[in-house]
Amino acid sequence: EAGVTQFPSHSVIEKGQTVTLRCDPISGHDNLYWYRRVMGKEIKFLLHFVKESKQDESGMPNNRFLAERTGGTYSTLKVQPAELEDSGVYFCASSKQAIWGISPLHFGNGTRLTVT
Amino acid sequence: DQQVKQNSPSLSVQEGRISILNCDYTNSMFDYFLWYKKYPAEGPTFLISISSIKDKNEDGRFTVFLNKSAKHLSLHIVPSQPGDSAVYFCAASASGSRLTFGEGTQLTVNP
Repeated sequence: EAGVTQFPSHSVIEKGQTVTLRCDPISGHDNLYWYRRVMGKEIKFLLHFVKESKQDESGMPNNRFLAERTGGTYSTLKVQPAELEDSGVYFCASSKQAIWGISPLHFGNGTRLTVT
Repeated sequence: DQQVKQNSPSLSVQEGRISILNCDYTNSMFDYFLWYKKYPAEGPTFLISISSIKDKNEDGRFTVFLNKSAKHLSLHIVPSQPGDSAVYFCAASASGSRLTFGEGTQLTVNP
């Protein structure tokens, strides 16, 4: 089966611009997560979709971040306007069930975002 | 308030020896723990996990130990191989909630 796919792999934008990241989860995985790793720190949770519904968005830093998962398939994460502190690697992950003993989280390769 | 901590940013071992990676947590509600491995330019991949009802889980060269009273877990790799060189992340969950990750430990296995 195809893994989690993220696009683009790299993005360099100027402060104030808009960027949209895309994630295609593994087919059949209802649970989709966005995480971010900044400056070699911990991988921090952003939000969790179950199908098209936002189950938990408590990790979203502020209202400049907007995530969508229309139709419960792929997801997008838009940052508008981007700030310098938004730089980091954005990971998308998916799982069939949110039961970690049965269905571990599968990660994509990430999008490295650099805001200059 | 970082709930999962990996206090060693890096670890270097000789090929064939044991690698021990450590992780501490503060949230007593965590009941499931996982280790992920990450190579450069790739996403983390699942390695091994343990439920809070156990104190040890083994899978080939990898063993995870859990000490609930100390809120501490460790990953042992024996014998270590150069291909094990990667960043290792500890993660924890409470009742199937989202995974909370540590900062990672860069393991380097020298030939």
